Amino acid sequence: QQPVQSPQAVILREGEDAVINCSSSKALYSVHWYRQKHGEAPVFLMILLKGGEQKGHDKISASFNEKKQQSSLYLTASQLSYSGTYFCGTEIPNNAGNMLTFGGGTRLMVKP
Amino acid sequence: DAGITQSPRYKITETGRQVTLMCHQTWSHSYMFWYRQDLGHGLRLIYYSAAADITDKGEVPDGYVVSRSKTENFPLTLESATRSQTSVYFCASRTGGLNTEAFFGQGTRLTVV
Repeated sequence: QQPVQSPQAVILREGEDAVINCSSSKALYSVHWYRQKHGEAPVFLMILLKGGEQKGHDKISASFNEKKQQSSLYLTASQLSYSGTYFCGTEIPNNAGNMLTFGGGTRLMVKP
Repeated sequence: DAGITQSPRYKITETGRQVTLMCHQTWSHSYMFWYRQDLGHGLRLIYYSAAADITDKGEVPDGYVVSRSKTENFPLTLESATRSQTSVYFCASRTGGLNTEAFFGQGTRLTVV
């Protein structure tokens, strides 16, 4: 039930761009994106609720293609502070409420 | 302090022992979650709770037990710890509204020897 992320790891130079993909074999009702710095807790970036929705936060943006059951996170002109592991999550309705499950993560390293 | 806190931060236990990880949040969030994080597996959902006295299994519930008698607390118990349960455990909470931000605790690093 976990969404699938790709790539598993990315190494960039400062100023370069990156795309992280998230897909699911089941219908996606929404997509969450989080970033985790080494040794810390995951921190919320954004949620996309509707197909076709796009959101941006500084130079990090995301899109959600509901029909294709996938979402992409775009990091533009990467900065050293972007380094960390990025997780996509999806809510799955269930009898006892909504499960929030996450993908395996994408490790991003930005080098000077 | 406001927020979500986990205790202990670090724990070493022996195989076969029972151990309980605590999670406490001060926001009165309806939802609470327990995840384990292992290299190569990302965050895997163990159990979740939509409200007090309402809990359900996640993706990897075997060997774990939860309870939620009060909205603010969501303890996770390993009934008989095994080495395969060595992991970093994260608790999270969010409001009852759907599709809202989840807030994570700082994690508990558990080692089973």
